[in-house]
Amino acid sequence: RKEVEQDPGPFNVPEGATVAFNCTYSNSASQSFFWYRQDCRKEPKLLMSVYSSGNEDGRFTAQLNRASQYISLLIRDSKLSDSATYLCVVNPRNFNKFYFGSGTKLNVKP
Amino acid sequence: DAGITQSPRHKVTETGTPVTLRCHQTENHRYMYWYRQDPGHGLRLIHYSYGVKDTDKGEVSDGYSVSRSKTEDFLLTLESATSSQTSVYFCAISESGDNQETQYFGPGTRLLVL
Repeated sequence: RKEVEQDPGPFNVPEGATVAFNCTYSNSASQSFFWYRQDCRKEPKLLMSVYSSGNEDGRFTAQLNRASQYISLLIRDSKLSDSATYLCVVNPRNFNKFYFGSGTKLNVKP
Repeated sequence: DAGITQSPRHKVTETGTPVTLRCHQTENHRYMYWYRQDPGHGLRLIHYSYGVKDTDKGEVSDGYSVSRSKTEDFLLTLESATSSQTSVYFCAISESGDNQETQYFGPGTRLLVL
């Protein structure tokens, strides 16, 4: 079983739509969680960390559900520039190893 | 910007030749990583380093070796390149903050093995 699993998509949404991605992880001891954004042919870039209480950064909201072992990313009022692949990343505490999902592709269309 | 550079950015080589990729960081981070990224597989860890001369294997280490003789440089070597090693290679560092480690990536090296 993979450490981190994501729906690869693509999610095709119109501008202005709200879209949500989920990611499941297998290690219940995992402590740190992140969403990264990756544009075509570019390196992954940190979008936001995911905290236990949930957190928001502008149009982006991340949430953690420890009981069901998943994290989510909600994007409101989608922009064309949000088109990218979104990677879910998990880091068990006290280990400097990171486990990546394969990514969820988002296409925002005019 | 975590101050990570990779060289070369693109390389074409032939099967059986040795190849060395370089990752350079300017901010004295202890941990450095090499990943490869292939369609359908996401990012897979090849090797990582937790200090000068301290390295360990990741999940896809066969056919690769690494060296770290200075804090700022982490080298990845393909001793005898094969076509299956055609990939995009990303170097990363991890940075401590807010009671957690966070990874930052270099711009990547695109390697084609003919």
